[in-house]
This record gives sequence, structure tokens and C-alpha cells, in this order.
Amino acid sequence: EVHLVESGGGLVRPGGSLKLSCAASGFSFSTYWMTWIRQAPGKGLEWVANINPDETKKDYVDSVKGRFTISRDNAKDSLYLQMNSLRAEDTAVYYCARAGHYNFDSWGQGTLVTVSS
Amino acid sequence: QSVLTQPPSVSGAPGQRVTISCTGTSSNIRSLYDVHWYQQLPGTAPKLLIFGNTNRPSGVPDRFSGSKSGASASLAISGLQAGDEADYYCQSYDSSFSAVFGTGTRVTVL
Repeated sequence: EVHLVESGGGLVRPGGSLKLSCAASGFSFSTYWMTWIRQAPGKGLEWVANINPDETKKDYVDSVKGRFTISRDNAKDSLYLQMNSLRAEDTAVYYCARAGHYNFDSWGQGTLVTVSS
Repeated sequence: QSVLTQPPSVSGAPGQRVTISCTGTSSNIRSLYDVHWYQQLPGTAPKLLIFGNTNRPSGVPDRFSGSKSGASASLAISGLQAGDEADYYCQSYDSSFSAVFGTGTRVTVL
């Protein structure tokens, strides 16, 4: 069974940094594209970033380009999101998801990031 | 990034059939791009409900069905049950090959 567990969320001040992690199990992590998706409180879903299996392709939503960096460690079956220069509008639950055929077929439970002074 | 438009809410009595529309533009839902649907029960993570416009993952009841025509797609829920109360999101890709989600629809069982 696919299992994705996010960690690293918390309260951070505007302009601060945070690194999210996602531990994967139950599938061959190194062969899948992986994605971060976020959901602001009471709002809809927003795709944030994705990464291909060998880290040669990374893509980001415009609002986080230059501030967020997605990465992975296939030896540790782990996905990461380094978030710098955080803004209040980055406040959200961040989900790690496995990318299927142009969809997201497995999701973690999410980790809450709150940006506030 | 563009978004896909859904009605904010739909409702129906138990046993009824409801449909949720998902409308895009020529830059996202077009004939080359599949539409997928997710169900988000209260307080939980989204779950893939329909993939590739019409397909159900293992374990999803056949009460849920999807369709796509041109720049729009629909999710139908037949035999509505109390446990179907949730938020539903469509998803596709835009012309820059970035994933885009619908605005979300809250389904209420009366």
C-alpha cells in the first residue's frame, strides 16, 4: 500500500524559511514523478511544484518561483520542499502526492504551514 | 496559471443523482488533456475519484461516473448517500503543462 507522510510544518514569521519532508513507502519511489500541492484554509487546491524521478526536471507555480525548491533523495525514499522568503499567502496545508498519468493518485495527510508575525 | 470553473455547491436528497460541471478554456481542458476528479471528505486529504475522464480507481463505487466533451467535463453521483458529502475538485493541465485544479464544489445531502 502506498504511504506518504509529510512533516516539517509549523509557524514561521514572514520572510522566514521552512523545509518540508515527505517519507514514501509501499512503492518504487525512484520511478515516480512527485508533487507538492497546497490548500489555504477554507480554499481550494493549488499545485505548487513537481519533480521527475532523476531530478532533471522541476516545475513550479509562478507564485513560488525563486522562493521554493523541490528536491528528492531516492536512496531515502523522500521528497522535500525548501521554502524561503515565506509570505502570509503561503499559509496552507501542504500535501505530498504521487503523480500518476497526469493525475495525483496517492496523497499524504498534509502538514500545516502558518506564516504569521 | 489558469483555473477550471466549478459550481460552488450542489445538493440533493438521498438516492438522487447530482452532477458537477468543470469548465475550462482552450488552454487547459482541450481534447488532448484528460480530466481527473478528487473527493475530499471533511478534515481529510483529497482522494483520486475518477482518472482519465471516465475511469474509476479500484474501490470507487460505480455510483460515481465522469465524462468529458470539448472544453468541459462532468462528474455524476447517482444514488446519493450521506457519506458522499464532501468537496469535489476537477483537475487537468494547462498549455504550459502545469497542473490546474477546479475551484471546487461542495456536495450537500439534504
